[in-house]
Amino acid sequence: EAGVAQSPRYKIIEKRQSVAFWCNPISGHATLYWYQQILGQGPKLLIQFQNNGVVDDSQLPKDRFSAERLKGVDSTLKIQPAKLEDSAVYLCASSLGEGLAYEQYFGPGTRLTVT
Amino acid sequence: GQQLNQSPQSMFIQEGEDVSMNCTSSSIFNTWLWYKQEPGEGPVLLIALYKAGELTSNGRLTAQFGITRKDSFLNISASIPSDVGIYFCAGLYQGAQKLVFGQGTRLTINP
Repeated sequence: EAGVAQSPRYKIIEKRQSVAFWCNPISGHATLYWYQQILGQGPKLLIQFQNNGVVDDSQLPKDRFSAERLKGVDSTLKIQPAKLEDSAVYLCASSLGEGLAYEQYFGPGTRLTVT
Repeated sequence: GQQLNQSPQSMFIQEGEDVSMNCTSSSIFNTWLWYKQEPGEGPVLLIALYKAGELTSNGRLTAQFGITRKDSFLNISASIPSDVGIYFCAGLYQGAQKLVFGQGTRLTINP
């Protein structure tokens, strides 16, 4: 079974530029999560989708971050404009359903460096 | 928001030694999970615990769901070089469907 795919793996941008990350969850997984992991910390949930609807985006900085999951499969996370403090690893995870949040499978992440 | 305090932050041990780490919270959790993350990879689920007092093993790893439901412990017996990585606890607290993660314990093993 293929795992969660993410691209790109690495991205370096200057502050005020925009960037987008892509995630393809495990086939059949209805719930998709985007996490931000700052160096030395545990992952922090940014947004959670159930199919193509948003379940929780309470910790998403909506003035600069946006995410979508068209057709309930792939998802993109965008940052515009980026700030220095956005430097982090962005992890995508998926689970079979919202009620199975404890069985999340993570992708390898995208390491973003903002200079 | 809910916070998990994980300790120790880092451990330096000799190969073959046993390892213990723990995670505590001021809130009651319904589910405790332990993940391992290696450089350049996402966290991988090691053990999931669903009820207070539960003790679950996965090979050389053993984890326990604390009786108070506010803590959890992970033990690794007879450590080997491939155990190196960062271990995260995570939990689902009452009424929530999103995971809260601890800060991680970085394990380094001297051969």
